[in-house]
Amino acid sequence: NAGVTQTPKFQVLKTGQSMTLQCAQDMNHEYMSWYRQDPGMGLRLIHYSVGAGITDQGEVPNGYNVSRSTTEDFPLRLLSAAPSQTSVYFCASSLGPPTLSEQYFGPGTRLTVT
Amino acid sequence: GQQVMQIPQYQHVQEGEDFTTYCNSSTTLSNIQWYKQRPGGHPVFLIQLVKSGEVKKQKRLTFQFGEAKKNSSLHITATQTTDVGTYFCAPAYSGAGSYQLTFGKGTKLSVIP
Repeated sequence: NAGVTQTPKFQVLKTGQSMTLQCAQDMNHEYMSWYRQDPGMGLRLIHYSVGAGITDQGEVPNGYNVSRSTTEDFPLRLLSAAPSQTSVYFCASSLGPPTLSEQYFGPGTRLTVT
Repeated sequence: GQQVMQIPQYQHVQEGEDFTTYCNSSTTLSNIQWYKQRPGGHPVFLIQLVKSGEVKKQKRLTFQFGEAKKNSSLHITATQTTDVGTYFCAPAYSGAGSYQLTFGKGTKLSVIP
């Protein structure tokens, strides 16, 4: 099993550009989440999904969109990049609800917006 | 929103010394998880504590959940250079949705060989 994979590993965007961060898992997990990590801030939840076709907002959803058309994939879209979105983005998946289950994290995408 | 205080923010120890990080909440927790993130890496699940007063051990790591379920600690005995990284607690709150996991800001551990 590859676990949770994320692409790209690094990305530089200009303000106003859009892009999609890819996330895939091969563990047949129902629950998937996107977090951003900023220095000294821990991990903050952006969006999450409890199964294919079902998504909801987390703590910091503004400027991001998600969809979940399959169990395996959970892409994160930046609609119009802003410097405040410079961060490290982690995708995670779990068999059960994240508050009750071990979450498996991907290697992360390091995004810089200039 | 509900927040947890994780202390200290940084800790530098000599190899072989012990290390403890604390996670404190003003409200009762349903359960708490702990994660470790190596420099440049991603968070890795360590353990979940559910019961009041629970103590769990993993080799040199000891995890405790307070009797009132408002605080938790992670203690490492005789640190090694492999323990370097940031340790995060992730509390779950009673009554809150079961999908949104919050994270403390972490304790960054440096080990001087």
